[in-house]
Amino acid sequence: GESVGLHLPTLSVQEGDNSIINCAYSNSASDYFIWYKQESGKGPQFIIDIRSNMDKRQGQRVTVLLNKTVKHLSLQIAATQPGDSAVYFCAEIGAGGTSYGKLTFGQGTILTVHP
Amino acid sequence: KAGVTQTPRYLIKTRGQQVTLSCSPISGHRSVSWYQQTPGQGLQFLFEYFSETQRNKGNFPGRFSGRQFSNSRSEMNVSTLELGDSALYLCASSVGLAGGLTEQFFGPGTRLTVL
Repeated sequence: GESVGLHLPTLSVQEGDNSIINCAYSNSASDYFIWYKQESGKGPQFIIDIRSNMDKRQGQRVTVLLNKTVKHLSLQIAATQPGDSAVYFCAEIGAGGTSYGKLTFGQGTILTVHP
Repeated sequence: KAGVTQTPRYLIKTRGQQVTLSCSPISGHRSVSWYQQTPGQGLQFLFEYFSETQRNKGNFPGRFSGRQFSNSRSEMNVSTLELGDSALYLCASSVGLAGGLTEQFFGPGTRLTVL
């Protein structure tokens, strides 16, 4: 079946460092990938997305890289700030079959930024 | 523009009872999806409604059901509650264009505790 998983459940960095959060997915037919940030007591918040026809997409301080060959997704956060501390989830939207239009989430990575 | 709202925010029930949760999507959004979030299972897709019709469904028992009204507001119901139903229930809305490959905006969730 389809699944999306993360390599590292926790990540601790110093303020100002760059952070990289990784994600592996198994459904090669997935067409759309999203990174979400979830702070304590809140719902997931959209960070950045990427479609399968792209390798890289940049936002404000964030970059998502997609390697379809090895089915790997990463989120890079530049100059990490204490406010970036949260749980980060990757998610995929299926492009066909029973996964069509359905978000499948990875298990999440806890990012802790130390001042 | 107001975000996704969910009511109630917190709920305590006992085993065997039933519960109804409500979600109001962002104005203009026609798709509403429901997710269950637990520490053990992470974020899992329950179902998605679009224009009052269930368009997609996850792998949950029939005790979990939902509906959507003509104004796109949605409710989900869980009957015969079990201890394992304790979770954060998240609602997400999206424009819901064909293919479902659009950004989903999440509400703050309803924290359900089953005693």
